[in-house]
Amino acid sequence: GAVVSQHPSWVICKSGTSVKIECRSLDFQATTMFWYRQFPKQSLMLMATSNEGSKATYEQGVEKDKFLINHASLTLSTLTVTSAHPEDSSFYICSARDTMGQETQYFGPGTRLLVL
Amino acid sequence: QKEVEQNSGPLSVPEGAIASLNCTYSDRGSQSFFWYRQYSGKSPELIMSIYSNGDKEDGRFTAQLNKASQYVSLLIRDSQPSDSATYLCAEDSGGGADGLTFGKGTHLIIQP
Repeated sequence: GAVVSQHPSWVICKSGTSVKIECRSLDFQATTMFWYRQFPKQSLMLMATSNEGSKATYEQGVEKDKFLINHASLTLSTLTVTSAHPEDSSFYICSARDTMGQETQYFGPGTRLLVL
Repeated sequence: QKEVEQNSGPLSVPEGAIASLNCTYSDRGSQSFFWYRQYSGKSPELIMSIYSNGDKEDGRFTAQLNKASQYVSLLIRDSQPSDSATYLCAEDSGGGADGLTFGKGTHLIIQP
């Protein structure tokens, strides 16, 4: 149980294009999902908290107009990197917390983004 | 600013020995602590969670928490080469509503 999927697993795009990443909880409902970013040889940094049916909460320094988050259902959150630039190249990982009140976060397999 | 500190390593341990990983945190209000294992190029995998002072054992893994000292540790007994990975310590001071704050991770190498 507690499986989180992400799609795509990797993407290469040209500078200036937008990229959408999906995060799904497969066997549980998640009112809250989280988006993290990890640069090479660094730890995971929380970008934003995504709550079903409401606006996402962004961490300091993360541009909400650049990283659009939509959490339209209890099993799906999407992150859209708008007008991507090479410095946005990173490993994007989502996590989900189930609605049963458990504090454990289950991580998706990650999406590796390369912007040329 | 919440901080989680870990020695980045690498920590080299012979196969079969005990690996000891340490972590300190700055937020005294933190209630939940987690150890994740991350293989190169992969996302983190939950190893242990601990919420109360003391020890928590699960197979070859033992997590230890000392809230007074703001210290969390992970012991891996009978270390195997497959345990070689980066171990991330994380804390959650938001009761699950906030994301996790991660340390930078300790790179563990188990020598055959």
